[in-house]
Amino acid sequence: QLQLQESGPGLVKPSETLSLTCTVSGGSISSRDYSWDWIRQPPGKGLEWIGSFFSGGSTFYNPSLKSRVTIFIDTSNNQFSLKLTSLTAADTALYYCARGQENAALGKGWLDPWGQGTLVTVSS
Amino acid sequence: DIVVTQSPDSLAVSLGERVTINCKSSQSVLHSDNKNYLGWYQQKPGQPPKLLIYWASTRKSGVPDRFSGSGSGTDFTLTISSLQAEDVADYYCQQYYSTPLTFGGGTKVEIK
Repeated sequence: QLQLQESGPGLVKPSETLSLTCTVSGGSISSRDYSWDWIRQPPGKGLEWIGSFFSGGSTFYNPSLKSRVTIFIDTSNNQFSLKLTSLTAADTALYYCARGQENAALGKGWLDPWGQGTLVTVSS
Repeated sequence: DIVVTQSPDSLAVSLGERVTINCKSSQSVLHSDNKNYLGWYQQKPGQPPKLLIYWASTRKSGVPDRFSGSGSGTDFTLTISSLQAEDVADYYCQQYYSTPLTFGGGTKVEIK
């Protein structure tokens, strides 16, 4: 059974860079037909998709964050990571990693499973 | 971006009664392959979202059959046929027709 676990700092200062890692167990991150995604949820609010790393090596980011986001994978450690620069208080959120189901027609699919999430607070 | 709108924001229903949650997309998510690129998720307090339904109406393996999805094009519905105590949660729809992936604002389901 595939499991994902996020790790990273819980507190980051404004203007700094956030680095989070998602460790995948029970399956290979090199699998075809899946993407590796990051999603965030501000406290008490809804879900915002951050971006994906596709099995073919391409990445897609939410335009609202595109200039600040990088997602990359580390196949040797079965991990993928998120880097978000120039943080502000508006980036305070629960950050989730998830596996995305790719499909032949349009590329993207549903997200399943999800990690437990890690809370990141941006504050001085 | 495809905007996804859910209604209502919250509802309280008695145990055993029917729950209906609506989801509307700003443009059609029905592809020429005749599939609707929409999923539903359940998020219980303190937990991550869990996939319930994909392709708008296909229940994920292991999801109780009291959960069902319907609709096509721009209008979709998640139905819980008989509310159980363990169904108290937030429910989200999500389109995967185009990037950026977008979610509805969520519907909170509580027991009356």
